[in-house]
Amino acid sequence: DIQMTQSPSSVSASVGDRVTITCRASQDVNRWLAWYQQKPGTAPKLLIYAASTLQSGVPSRFSGSGSGTDFTLTISSLQPEDFATYFCQQANSFPPYTFGQGTKVEIK
Amino acid sequence: QVQLQESGPGLVKPSQTLSLTCTVSGASIRSGGYYWNWIRQPAGKELEWVGRIFASGHSDYNPSLKSRVTISIDTSRDQFSLKLSSVTAADTAVYYCARGEDRDYHNVGFDYWGQGTPVTVSS
Repeated sequence: DIQMTQSPSSVSASVGDRVTITCRASQDVNRWLAWYQQKPGTAPKLLIYAASTLQSGVPSRFSGSGSGTDFTLTISSLQPEDFATYFCQQANSFPPYTFGQGTKVEIK
Repeated sequence: QVQLQESGPGLVKPSQTLSLTCTVSGASIRSGGYYWNWIRQPAGKELEWVGRIFASGHSDYNPSLKSRVTISIDTSRDQFSLKLSSVTAADTAVYYCARGEDRDYHNVGFDYWGQGTPVTVSS
């Protein structure tokens, strides 16, 4: 299985800050990577797929980049509703699809 | 608006079979281009993909669970189901159903999810 490693595990930030989360795959996954946002007690929400394509309805302050083994999710100006845990997911090598361990964005 | 809703027992005894059903509304489960997934999340841990099924009945499973998992589909009811046999405490998790889609022969994420149903394995 492809292992997905996210960093940092948690980040403290203020409203208006730029936040960057990284995801590293143990093998090349080309551009087949998705990002999700999860708030406590709710299901994950798809933000980005194919590394950089914004899912319909997702605010443009979210962006994704990368290919191969290294990817980033950037929130350009953190909003109060963005405090959550973010997961990456690889979709190149299947089965199985695999997820990162998550990055929690907390209020500073 | 597509909606998914999980249902099933919240408590299962060790060695027994966990059974869950996902009901899809707002779209037909026979919609082309989509497949239907089970994904689970132990408390405080990462998500784990369990398996998927197409409207045709074709299914794929996580190799780590393959010997214990069966996913089936009832297109007349817009439902798909999960059975996980010989459960242990390690199978305790929130179980989600979710819709997936491929483009260029690759998954482009899971765009609709159920709210999740907690399942505890305990005697």
